Amino acid sequence: AQRVTQPEKLLSVFKGAPVELKCNYSYSGSPELFWYVQYSRQRLQLLLRHISRESIKGFTADLNKGETSFHLKKPFAQEEDSAMYYCAFYSSASKIIFGSGTRLSIRP
Amino acid sequence: ETGVTQSPTHLIKTRGQQVTLRCSSQSGHNTVSWYQQALGQGPQFIFQYYREEENGRGNFPPRFSGLQFPNYSSELNVNALELDDSALYLCASSSSGRDRSDEQYFGPGTRLTVT
Repeated sequence: AQRVTQPEKLLSVFKGAPVELKCNYSYSGSPELFWYVQYSRQRLQLLLRHISRESIKGFTADLNKGETSFHLKKPFAQEEDSAMYYCAFYSSASKIIFGSGTRLSIRP
Repeated sequence: ETGVTQSPTHLIKTRGQQVTLRCSSQSGHNTVSWYQQALGQGPQFIFQYYREEENGRGNFPPRFSGLQFPNYSSELNVNALELDDSALYLCASSSSGRDRSDEQYFGPGTRLTVT
């Protein structure tokens, strides 16, 4: 079955600490993976996609096909990073499959 | 550039009724996708429309149907509403062609409550 697993519903870290949001996927093909973010009172928006290999707002994510993972990382958390984060992948039939999300809370 | 808009913002319906939700896509986008987001869950793909044709469907029953118009705006229709249909319904537009994925731009959502 095509699935995205985000094992942590809530992740709380101190400002300045490293952040890692976990994402594992189940898909038999070559996945196209994304991280979407939703800040308080804002719309869901794309944070980054693996094919771009960019660092956005200090976040990076590396696709590990062996471990079927696409964890989101940032070396030093900032208070404005507090948000809901969703891992997703593009499957066949134009479907984007989302995980259940991780709420990231940055403590001052 | 105008973003994705959805109407109405909130809606309360009774079980068994029918509902129509509307979405205006971002300027220049020809693809619209609809998602259902239950409380505490990620968005679940309902279906996608590309140039007025359905271009992929998730695991939703036929009572969930849609339309896309020549201006690329879209409607989601749900018949015979059930209590479990209560959710936030999100619309997203993109400039994807068939079988391609591009960044999806989400609307603010319509909160549907079925009583």
